[in-house]
Amino acid sequence: GAVVSQHPSRVICKSGTSVKIECRSLDFQATTMFWYRQFPKQSLMLMATSNEGSKATYEQGVEKDKFLINHASLTLSTLTVTSAHPEDSSFYICSARALGPAAFTDTQYFGPGTRLTVL
Amino acid sequence: QKEVEQNSGPLSVPEGAIASLNCTYSDRGSQSFFWYRQYSGKSPELIMSIYSNGDKEDGRFTAQLNKASQYVSLLIRDSQPSDSATYLCAVKRNQGGKLIFGQGTELSVKP
Repeated sequence: GAVVSQHPSRVICKSGTSVKIECRSLDFQATTMFWYRQFPKQSLMLMATSNEGSKATYEQGVEKDKFLINHASLTLSTLTVTSAHPEDSSFYICSARALGPAAFTDTQYFGPGTRLTVL
Repeated sequence: QKEVEQNSGPLSVPEGAIASLNCTYSDRGSQSFFWYRQYSGKSPELIMSIYSNGDKEDGRFTAQLNKASQYVSLLIRDSQPSDSATYLCAVKRNQGGKLIFGQGTELSVKP
């Protein structure tokens, strides 16, 4: 159980275009999903927390107008990178929070990631 | 001081040996601790979660938690070359549920 999918797995686009990445929890409902970015040889960087039915919460330094997040259902969150530039090229990973019997036992499961290359 | 600290490695062990990975954290009120494995070019994969002091075993993996000393460790018995990866220690903040990751320890298991 606790499977999270992401689509697409890889995307190459031209500078100035927008790219949408989907994150789905396949076998559980996720009221909360998280979006991360990871550059080569670096650790995960949390970009934003996505809550179903409400606005996302962005980490300091992350442009909310550039990285649009929508969490319209309990199994789907989307990240749109608007007007992408080469410096946005990175590995984008989502995770979904699976509820446990108590709040402190909630667990995050990660999607397989999306590798974005902006030319 | 970083909230979650790990030795970046690389840690190199021979096949069949025990690999020991350590992690310390600064928030004494933390309740939830996780170990993720990340192969190069892939996303993190959950290995273990631990919430109580002591040991928790799952196959070749044992997580150890000592809240008084604020450290959590992961032991991998009978290490295999396929265990070669970066191991991420994560501590969950009580408010908001965000995970705070260490920088990861790169493990290399030599045949």
